[in-house]
Amino acid sequence: ETGVTQTPRHLVMGMTNKKSLKCEQHLGHNAMYWYKQSAKKPLELMFVYNFKEQTENNSVPSRFSPECPNSSHLFLHLHTLQPEDSALYLCASSLHSGEQFFGPGTRLTVL
Amino acid sequence: GESVGLHLPTLSVQEGDNSIINCAYSNSASDYFIWYKQESGKGPQFIIDIRSNMDKRQGQRVTVLLNKTVKHLSLQIAATQPGDSAVYFCAENIGGGGADGLTFGKGTHLIIQP
Repeated sequence: ETGVTQTPRHLVMGMTNKKSLKCEQHLGHNAMYWYKQSAKKPLELMFVYNFKEQTENNSVPSRFSPECPNSSHLFLHLHTLQPEDSALYLCASSLHSGEQFFGPGTRLTVL
Repeated sequence: GESVGLHLPTLSVQEGDNSIINCAYSNSASDYFIWYKQESGKGPQFIIDIRSNMDKRQGQRVTVLLNKTVKHLSLQIAATQPGDSAVYFCAENIGGGGADGLTFGKGTHLIIQP
């Protein structure tokens, strides 16, 4: 266990659905991240939050909407997704610019 | 193109042998490099890191080498064990002290043969 938990672990949704992914870290870190891992592609950074403030949005479509209510929790709200958005969504946290600890990911399938 | 890449998608080694996984990066401003291991069904797990002011760093059975001249990073695993079977990713960060996202390479799948 890395101290970073993600729920749900698996999610199947239709293109018209709205769902949310949740990430929680118990490490006292100040920074949290969302990454997307698609088959045969490198992990892609989506968003960075530092002390609850979004510091980076890596040109992510608006159908992905992050929320960081506090330094321990991070959400990714999903709406009107496309089948090509099917992937493993990974959350990570770090203390400043140090090592990033990853959660187990949410396997998302968009039908 | 991507900033960080790997030379081989798959590496097959005999159990007990040493493994060397290579990675090339293109951003000269990168000053922090990390190797992650990802097992099936799990998120990436930190193995070892190195900053640009170092050439070599050793951990338990693992060594990371950094050659800034040719922008090359390698991970050496000594006496490879079945539990080492996973996909290995290198990642880089430009740093600067704040929280920054990592840029990952494509990954090398290490296969251990008995």
